[in-house]
Amino acid sequence: ILNVEQSPQSLHVQEGDSTNFTCSFPSSNFYALHWYRWETAKSPEALFVMTLNGDEKKKGRISATLNTKEGYSYLYIKGSQPEDSATYLCASSNAGGTSYGKLTFGQGTILTVHP
Amino acid sequence: DTEVTQTPKHLVMGMTNKKSLKCEQHMGHRAMYWYKQKAKKPPELMFVYSYEKLSINESVPSRFSPECPNSSLLNLHLHALQPEDSALYLCASSPTTSGGASDTQYFGPGTRLTVL
Repeated sequence: ILNVEQSPQSLHVQEGDSTNFTCSFPSSNFYALHWYRWETAKSPEALFVMTLNGDEKKKGRISATLNTKEGYSYLYIKGSQPEDSATYLCASSNAGGTSYGKLTFGQGTILTVHP
Repeated sequence: DTEVTQTPKHLVMGMTNKKSLKCEQHMGHRAMYWYKQKAKKPPELMFVYSYEKLSINESVPSRFSPECPNSSLLNLHLHALQPEDSALYLCASSPTTSGGASDTQYFGPGTRLTVL
């Protein structure tokens, strides 16, 4: 994998459903994986930063896992609510040097939760 | 204050105009970033400032000129832009506590730029 890729591109679920989406990233020279939630007309909101293989982070009903060896991360939302509707972006960053601070974003997964 | 603010929210400019975008944060962060997002594409990094010095320029055309006059403020000066430069311009800042690559970047809401 050369770029950061997310799937699916969009997802429609009913309120109460649990859902998950995938972020794939280049595993060579990998340092950290970032997840953001971006609601329309607002600032992207940081959800998680993960660095270690096997990392699992949780924030309320949202959790994420990281596999650095195979280059993927999953984001899970349990019991989706309409207010979870947003674009979920992942971004990878590489180790030091001239790549310092550079996030490479995927195209995002647009989640719509229907009441 | 945990906010990154950007002004203006919207900007329309002609190809011969000179304008500036402004970004401000008061979280004590020492790294600041400009990203560009075209419709239906992911944000793409343009510039990184670390301790008020330009550390990354992603081969951005010289019609975009960044400036970091102090640790709280980041400007993007625009001159002789093209219609294809129309995009959402996002600013971000990060605390530089862990070497950069795993620092959370905090984003502003962006400036929607239209070049006529």
